[in-house]
Amino acid sequence: AQSVTQPDIHITVSEGASLELRCNYSYGATPYLFWYVQSPGQGLQLLLKYFSGDTLVQGIKGFEAEFKRSQSSFNLRKPSVHWSDAAEYFCAVGPPGGGGADGLTFGKGTHLIIQP
Amino acid sequence: EAGVAQSPRYKIIEKRQSVAFWCNPISGHATLYWYQQILGQGPKLLIQFQNNGVVDDSQLPKDRFSAERLKGVDSTLKIQPAKLEDSAVYLCASSFRASNTGELFFGEGSRLTVL
Repeated sequence: AQSVTQPDIHITVSEGASLELRCNYSYGATPYLFWYVQSPGQGLQLLLKYFSGDTLVQGIKGFEAEFKRSQSSFNLRKPSVHWSDAAEYFCAVGPPGGGGADGLTFGKGTHLIIQP
Repeated sequence: EAGVAQSPRYKIIEKRQSVAFWCNPISGHATLYWYQQILGQGPKLLIQFQNNGVVDDSQLPKDRFSAERLKGVDSTLKIQPAKLEDSAVYLCASSFRASNTGELFFGEGSRLTVL
């Protein structure tokens, strides 16, 4: 069965510093990969996704993620964080190919705290 | 463009009572999902609809949970009878295509507390 591991429950970063959030997955094949962000009391918003091709993908709000097949990882990065980036971040995997049953499997999330 | 609408936003009930949540997806979105998000965990898929048909309900506790999407638009998720462990946020999401290559749009969720 597929699974997603986000090893860091909480991460604290100073405003303006760089950020990396870790994500490892277990899947029979290369899945589709996603990062979502959830602000308090809000639904989830898609930051970026990887299906195939270039392993470095760019997303919204200045985020990027790199797919590393050998490590089964899809880490999220941002060169300089802003106070508004404080939120919960979820990595998710979904079956490749699309169509049919394609619900996502989410990790437990990483809570990002930005300190001034 | 209006987003995914969910109601109620908050609900408090006692165990063994029943509750229903409503979701109105983005207009034109054929695929609708219900996820359960327990505090401190990521969302877990409960059921996926394509138009008014069920695509996947393998993780839906069918002895107490039911969901329908009769006209292929709005959907209702019901819990009867509720247990303490059902306390969670119930998220509805929709997408345009029957494919996860499209973005899922999430509602703000319905927070259930079972006492």
